[in-house]
Amino acid sequence: NAGVTQTPKFQVLKTGQSMTLQCAQDMNHEYMSWYRQDPGMGLRLIHYSVGAGITDQGEVPNGYNVSRSTTEDFPLRLLSAAPSQTSVYFCASWSTPGSPLHFGNGTRLTVT
Amino acid sequence: EDQVTQSPEALRLQEGESSSLNCSYTVSGLRGLFWYRQDPGKGPEFLFTLYSAGEEKEKERLKATLTKKESFLHITAPKPEDSATYLCAVQAGTGNQFYFGTGTSLTVIP
Repeated sequence: NAGVTQTPKFQVLKTGQSMTLQCAQDMNHEYMSWYRQDPGMGLRLIHYSVGAGITDQGEVPNGYNVSRSTTEDFPLRLLSAAPSQTSVYFCASWSTPGSPLHFGNGTRLTVT
Repeated sequence: EDQVTQSPEALRLQEGESSSLNCSYTVSGLRGLFWYRQDPGKGPEFLFTLYSAGEEKEKERLKATLTKKESFLHITAPKPEDSATYLCAVQAGTGNQFYFGTGTSLTVIP
């Protein structure tokens, strides 16, 4: 039982490049979300999904796109990377309101 | 505005020296309060869920408690392997979002 799997673990991009951070869960959770974690800022919500085909914005959505075509997968796309997007990104899933988040091990992204 | 505040930001303890971490929150319609442990380079690991004031949960040297405005994570006789960052989160309203504090970095010195 892998839980939440994120790839890649590390990525370096140049300003203006695009990329997709992958996230997959095998727990059949309806809810999934993306967070970024920066020193002193805590975990901030980027986008979330309450089921296949349904997504919504969180606290810091600008510069990021998401889609949810299957229950298992929730990729995060950076359209044109900026240095301000240097961060550690975590994908998480949960089964129902009131149940805890289950996190992946993160992707450390550096934009130069 | 929904808000979660953790204190202290950092805590250094001698091995065996018990202490408490605080998480205060201001949300409407609390669905759950969650404690996580995060080790360097890893994702947060779930520890406890608390749903209502007066509830307590225990796991080894950790005990979490909840009031209407705050939660405490009590650490009894800590060991060096308890060193980590401890995060508090609340889920409120529709249950679609979690709000996180900035964490307490705990160091236990042998």
